[in-house]
Order: sequence, then C-alpha cells, then structure tokens
Amino acid sequence: GESVGLHLPTLSVQEGDNSIINCAYSNSASDYFIWYKQESGKGPQFIIDIRSNMDKRQGQRVTVLLNKTVKHLSLQIAATQPGDSAVYFCAEKGYQKVTFGTGTKLQVIP
Amino acid sequence: NAGVTQTPKFQVLKTGQSMTLQCAQDMNHEYMSWYRQDPGMGLRLIHYSVGAGITDQGEVPNGYNVSRSTTEDFPLRLLSAAPSQTSVYFCASSSHVNQETEAFFGQGTRLTVV
Repeated sequence: GESVGLHLPTLSVQEGDNSIINCAYSNSASDYFIWYKQESGKGPQFIIDIRSNMDKRQGQRVTVLLNKTVKHLSLQIAATQPGDSAVYFCAEKGYQKVTFGTGTKLQVIP
Repeated sequence: NAGVTQTPKFQVLKTGQSMTLQCAQDMNHEYMSWYRQDPGMGLRLIHYSVGAGITDQGEVPNGYNVSRSTTEDFPLRLLSAAPSQTSVYFCASSSHVNQETEAFFGQGTRLTVV
C-alpha cells in the first residue's frame, strides 16, 4: 500500500488477475476520496470516487472500498489488463484542499 | 474540448532565472491548483485558487508566486529558479473545491534548473 513520505511501492500482477491497491489517508475529517491513474508522461486521470458516507462504490472493472475506522482506502481492478499499467494515486479532500498519496506503480505481467 | 492546457511542456532554466508556467482551462472551473511531482513524493500542492482574485498557499509555496486575474488562467511564477525546483509541475482545475468533484489535470511541465 501507499502512505505519504514512503518510496513508491510497486505491485506486479499477472494479466487477467485482480489487483488491489491500498492507501492510508491521514485526515479523519476528509469527506471525499478519489483514485487517479497516471500513465507515463501524462497528467493524472480520474478513475473513481467515493463519499465518506459510503463504504463501497463500483465502476467498470474497478471497485473502491473505504474503511473510515482505520482510515484506509483500496482500489480493486478486476481482470487486470496491460493498459492498466500505470501509477495509481489516492486523494483525500478536506476543506479547500486535496491531498494526494505518494502513489503505487502497477505493473501488469503479460 | 481543450480541458486544462499547460505551457511549456519542457523547460531548462539556469539558477537565478525567472519564468512563468502557464495554465489555462476552458471549463469555467472555479478552483485551480498547482502541484509539483517529485520521485517518491507524490503530488504536493504549491498554491491554489478558489476563484478569480483569490489565491492561497499549499504545502510547498516557497519560491513560487501565483495570481488569478481571470477564471481561465492561473500562472505559476518562479522568481529566482533553484535546482531544488527541478520537478514536473501539474496544473489542475475542478468545478468547485468544496463540491465532491474530480480534478482535471494538464499534461505537465517538466522543469530542469541547472
């Protein structure tokens, strides 16, 4: 998983397997969380979001889980594909500011 | 649809030089922000603006100035570049920071200070 201040962790996953990327956030007052995907040489792109009054949200092949008790967020990618290879960031929104985690690099093994 | 446009994409500066990184968005977004991205550090907030005429400091504001004279533009100024400012800079915008909405990012400016 990722946490602010650590070196960028890498997750290697076989193509077709499921990926789980974890994130520990810091502010218990944060009320909105977002996962972004950043491909090499590009800016981050929105994947999925979740409000603090939810504990799970599903998109197309992606699911975000939120555990407010332990301030933990996870992104699950089903049937991981080569195009999923990227760095994934979680972000938490507090008052007027969005704080990003350090990111997790996902490598998909063909 | 242009979205968020950053210029230039690449820049090399000598220590002590000044320059402005440009950022423009065409989505009528109220909130704009600048981040720098360094290896192993993720995205760190430099400055942000919640609307035209309003700016505030983020996590790492030292050495940078911003202004927001229009809704569309949010330039980032380096007054006297230092090697520690070598980084990739991203501008982002969202419709309103206090709404639960995603941010749209530019493609980034890779700055090297020698």
